[in-house]
Amino acid sequence: AQKITQTQPGMFVQEKEAVTLDCTYDTSDPSYGLFWYKQPSSGEMIFLIYQGSYDQQNATEGRYSLNFQKARKSANLVISASQLGDSAMYFCAMRELTGAGSYQLTFGKGTKLSVIP
Amino acid sequence: DAGVIQSPRHEVTEMGQEVTLRCKPISGHNSLFWYRQTMMRGLELLIYFNNNVPIDDSGMPEDRFSAKMPNASFSTLKIQPSEPRDSAVYFCASSLVPGGPTGELFFGEGSRLTVL
Repeated sequence: AQKITQTQPGMFVQEKEAVTLDCTYDTSDPSYGLFWYKQPSSGEMIFLIYQGSYDQQNATEGRYSLNFQKARKSANLVISASQLGDSAMYFCAMRELTGAGSYQLTFGKGTKLSVIP
Repeated sequence: DAGVIQSPRHEVTEMGQEVTLRCKPISGHNSLFWYRQTMMRGLELLIYFNNNVPIDDSGMPEDRFSAKMPNASFSTLKIQPSEPRDSAVYFCASSLVPGGPTGELFFGEGSRLTVL
C-alpha cells in the first residue's frame, strides 16, 4: 500500500484564488511528520510547510496552510491568493522514525499546479 | 551558508559506462539521503546514511548501484555499468537528526543523468 497518496495529478487555479492540494497518508507510527515541498520547472525542491503528528494546530506559513485531519489521515495543502509563480509540482511527504534511530521521508507522486492569469 | 552541493549537474554517458555522482551535505548535518526522480516512479528513496553509516539501502535498484559516505562531508552514488533505464534526476538531501522542530530535508539541485 502506498504510504502517501496524492490523487490529483494536475490542478488548475485562477490567479488570486485559493486552491487545495490533497494528500492522504498511511502509517501505524504514532510519531510522524508531514511535509509539503514545491518543485518548480527549474527542478529544485523547496520546503514549504511542516505538520507534526502531535501538533494541535494546523501549520501555517505565509500563504500556505496545512489542513491536518488526523482521524482521516489527511494533510491537504491550501495555497491562498494564488500567484503565477505558484505554478509547479507539489509533493506531500511523510517522515517516520526507523528502528535505527534515524528516519526516512517518503514522497507522494505529486500534483502539478498550473495558475491561470 | 552553502546548501547541499551535487556534481555533476548534468551527465550524458553511454550504456555500460561507469557513472559517479557526488554530494556534499550541509555542514553539521548527520543524515544524508539519495533519491531518484523519474516521470514514471516519482521520487524514490535509494539509500540513506546516519552518521556516515548506511541505514537502509533497500531502495537501491540492483547490484549495479552502490553508495558510500567515507566522511561527514562527502558521499558518492555509483552506477556500474549504467543502462538507459537509469536515466533520471538523482537528488541528494541532508538533514539533522534529531533536528529542529521540523527536521526537514534540504535538497541539492540534482544531477540529471542521461544514459544513451
